[in-house]
Amino acid sequence: DQQVKQNSPSLSVQEGRISILNCDYTNSMFDYFLWYKKYPAEGPTFLISISSIKDKNEDGRFTVFLNKSAKHLSLHIVPSQPGDSAVYFCAASDYGGSQGNLIFGKGTKLSVKP
Amino acid sequence: EPEVTQTPSHQVTQMGQEVILRCVPISNHLYFYWYRQILGQKVEFLVSFYNNEISEKSEIFDDQFSVERPDGSNFTLKIRSTKLEDSAMYFCASSMGQNYGYTFGSGTRLTVV
Repeated sequence: DQQVKQNSPSLSVQEGRISILNCDYTNSMFDYFLWYKKYPAEGPTFLISISSIKDKNEDGRFTVFLNKSAKHLSLHIVPSQPGDSAVYFCAASDYGGSQGNLIFGKGTKLSVKP
Repeated sequence: EPEVTQTPSHQVTQMGQEVILRCVPISNHLYFYWYRQILGQKVEFLVSFYNNEISEKSEIFDDQFSVERPDGSNFTLKIRSTKLEDSAMYFCASSMGQNYGYTFGSGTRLTVV
């Protein structure tokens, strides 16, 4: 039962262009969403988060959009840089009902080409 | 920047042996977690720990698994009798609390042979 789905296993983008990573979820109780970036042989690194009371959160080149009615969120990276090449995980939690245990998607491998 | 430290980085063990994976969370964090990632699969929640006790655990976290915070700084995951399918990257994470992102360690690659 995949509560958090990242349907694109990989994405290739040219440097300077926008990268859009998508994530869908099924559990309507989720109220907090996070994006993590992971390089090989390292742990996931927190990137950006969004609460369900918002529909957009921006931090520098990274913007997360949340569409609650569609149970969909996306991460936009503008402009994309070669150093952004990594696996990106979407994660969700129902903080109201738990200690914040995260449910992760399978990840999308982003390759940014110079 | 504060880090979550995990040791060892790689552990090879024989099936049926006990292993202990060690983590030093960030000192002022209150919530501690173990996750694992089997090669090619998603990161899976194992257990959360708060106020010196398990607060939640997944179906994966059966009687073979246990966690401890023996001395106020270390946070350990013990697997009593390892199986081949326990081979995975095990990530420790800590957090200040709700609405804070987690900080993950670099992981321990466990290989059961």
